Amino acid sequence: QPLLSQPPSASGAPGQRVTISCSGGSSNLGSNPVQWYQQLPGTAPKLLIFNTNMRPSGVPDRFSGSKSGTSASLAINGLQSEDEADYYCASWDDIMNGVVFGGGTKLTVL
Amino acid sequence: QVQLVQSGAEVKKPGASVKVSCKASGYTFTSYGINWVRQAPGQRLEWMGWINPANGYTKYSQKFQGRVTFTRDTSASVAYMELSGLTSGDTALYFCARGVVVTARLHHWGQGTLVSVSS
Repeated sequence: QPLLSQPPSASGAPGQRVTISCSGGSSNLGSNPVQWYQQLPGTAPKLLIFNTNMRPSGVPDRFSGSKSGTSASLAINGLQSEDEADYYCASWDDIMNGVVFGGGTKLTVL
Repeated sequence: QVQLVQSGAEVKKPGASVKVSCKASGYTFTSYGINWVRQAPGQRLEWMGWINPANGYTKYSQKFQGRVTFTRDTSASVAYMELSGLTSGDTALYFCARGVVVTARLHHWGQGTLVSVSS
């Protein structure tokens, strides 16, 4: 049973707002920040959000993150065609003493 | 700028071992941990563990314990991942990533190394 759960797919039209959820437990999201990664086809993942709601330089402010208890969300405002990618949540797990990833959400821009 | 450049694709037979390298540049190699993450075709990202280049400390995911070894060459700023006892289930893209210790913050990634296991 994966430690972090995400919906397998999400979609939205250009310009719309989309949210992707990530559900975990007390040993990961409940006690550690969440990270979000964007993976375009055939490329390495790219850090999109760290420490729950911080953006690395160069990431547009259309992307935002939040967390409440053992659940987290990634929101994308003003959806663009280039946002079509796989999105993964990740967190440190205190029991596993390592990094856990969600199963990934494939975002389709309609 | 920070760069992680990995070695090229490998084709191995079942039971063999593979060693993947990850050359770091653009920062002080011993200042950040190197994590290893793999992704089987169409599957999720899977964390394998990490190495502290400063002192060689390693932490392996329980799934790979006993089968994987992380090493580093600080003089060349290179980290290595060796996986033994390969099976078809190990066919995957293997990534190295520079991370902040004891977090899931992986700011910089290598381009990935495809390891194919087939008889």
